[in-house]
Amino acid sequence: DAKTTQPPSMDCAEGRAANLPCNHSTISGNEYVYWYRQIHSQGPQYIIHGLKNNETNEMASLIITEDRKSSTLILPHATLRDTAVYYCIVRPLNSGGGADGLTFGKGTHLIIQP
Amino acid sequence: DSGVTQTPKHLITATGQRVTLRCSPRSGDLSVYWYQQSLDQGLQFLIQYYNGEERAKGNILERFSAQQFPDLHSELNLSSLELGDSALYFCASSVESGPGNTIYFGEGSWLTVV
Repeated sequence: DAKTTQPPSMDCAEGRAANLPCNHSTISGNEYVYWYRQIHSQGPQYIIHGLKNNETNEMASLIITEDRKSSTLILPHATLRDTAVYYCIVRPLNSGGGADGLTFGKGTHLIIQP
Repeated sequence: DSGVTQTPKHLITATGQRVTLRCSPRSGDLSVYWYQQSLDQGLQFLIQYYNGEERAKGNILERFSAQQFPDLHSELNLSSLELGDSALYFCASSVESGPGNTIYFGEGSWLTVV
């Protein structure tokens, strides 16, 4: 499985854009990048995912570099409620009945400062 | 609200006992996943079912078992409980298996073993 590397923690001022980086240098050409977040002890919340192109939805934007070795999750106007642990996950292909779920690392603890 | 429903939300039981956690996936979702989150281990994949059949196993103990019923709800059975089994147990679901299918999580069941 492709591994991801994220900073353990980040701060961002309320109202500013939060840019969360993720390195996934061993990603394969047909593996997706997923982002989830977990607000203290709640269920992980899906944010966005992408394969090659940049993606945007009502929550965030996902910027994937052309070589696909890294990506950035952008929360355009961070609020205090965005304080959470953010997980960048490379979703493996299902190989002959193997698990095709999500493998969570330690993520980035994003703290939004008032 | 992800649409994944888990019961009970909280459960306290004694060592050596057996409990059953229940999960109703999102309407139309065929794949169900179970995860365990303890303070020192993070989110760990336990097991996946797809349309009633076991698809993949992760770090699931032999004392634990699961099944998915014809109506697609799932149950996770935990037996001979130990103090170390105290954790949050999450159920998640997706329409199909495969990396392009988004996985949605429930709010979890808090299990405390005393």
